[in-house]
Amino acid sequence: EVQLVESGGGLVQPGRSLRLSCAGSGFTFGDYAMTWVRQAPGKGLEWVGFIRSKTSGATTEYAASVKGRFSLSRDDSKSIAYLQVNSLKVEDTGVYYCSRDNIDHFDLWGQGTLVTVSS
Amino acid sequence: EIVLTQSPATLSLSPGERATLSCRASQSVSSYLAWFQQQPGQAPRLLIYDASIRATGIPARFSGSGSGTDFTLTISSLEPEDFAVYYCLQRSNWPLTFGGGTKVEIK
Repeated sequence: EVQLVESGGGLVQPGRSLRLSCAGSGFTFGDYAMTWVRQAPGKGLEWVGFIRSKTSGATTEYAASVKGRFSLSRDDSKSIAYLQVNSLKVEDTGVYYCSRDNIDHFDLWGQGTLVTVSS
Repeated sequence: EIVLTQSPATLSLSPGERATLSCRASQSVSSYLAWFQQQPGQAPRLLIYDASIRATGIPARFSGSGSGTDFTLTISSLEPEDFAVYYCLQRSNWPLTFGGGTKVEIK
């Protein structure tokens, strides 16, 4: 089955860090760029970041709100993309989704992982 | 940053009616616009990309149109499962941006 599964969320104190994972299966993970999107409780979707495939240099793009605090990486041998989230703020609370970029459209999404930042 | 403004915020319609949702960009995004549907507690689902191309498995009652700054998502005849929140996304420029969403609710 073609799918993405996020993990790594949880309850964390402000200022701490987490590493979120996005595991792909059923397709050649390394062929695809990946994007991350988050959603605060009761709010809309917010794009977070994007990592290109290795053949495109695995370069990254970030939203201004997370640049310098969040970092994307990938391990294609394990079919996993990572979102390292540092210096967490209360406003980073939400569900984090990863999505596959299939030639400029995000056609496959994971179920999301919840990050709660609270003291 | 390109701002996407969706209207209306809420659309109250009955099953079988036609829904017309708007997404306006603060500057041209050419045809690099997508539409997503989100049901409560679920991940977004791609409906339309490149302004007018239906994603795999999306019913023909969903259609997208527009280019430049003005875009429309039309649902020709609402089915019960279509009552949800809809978002547009531009990928013309970094950073990518979403619209604020339109909730289609049962009247």
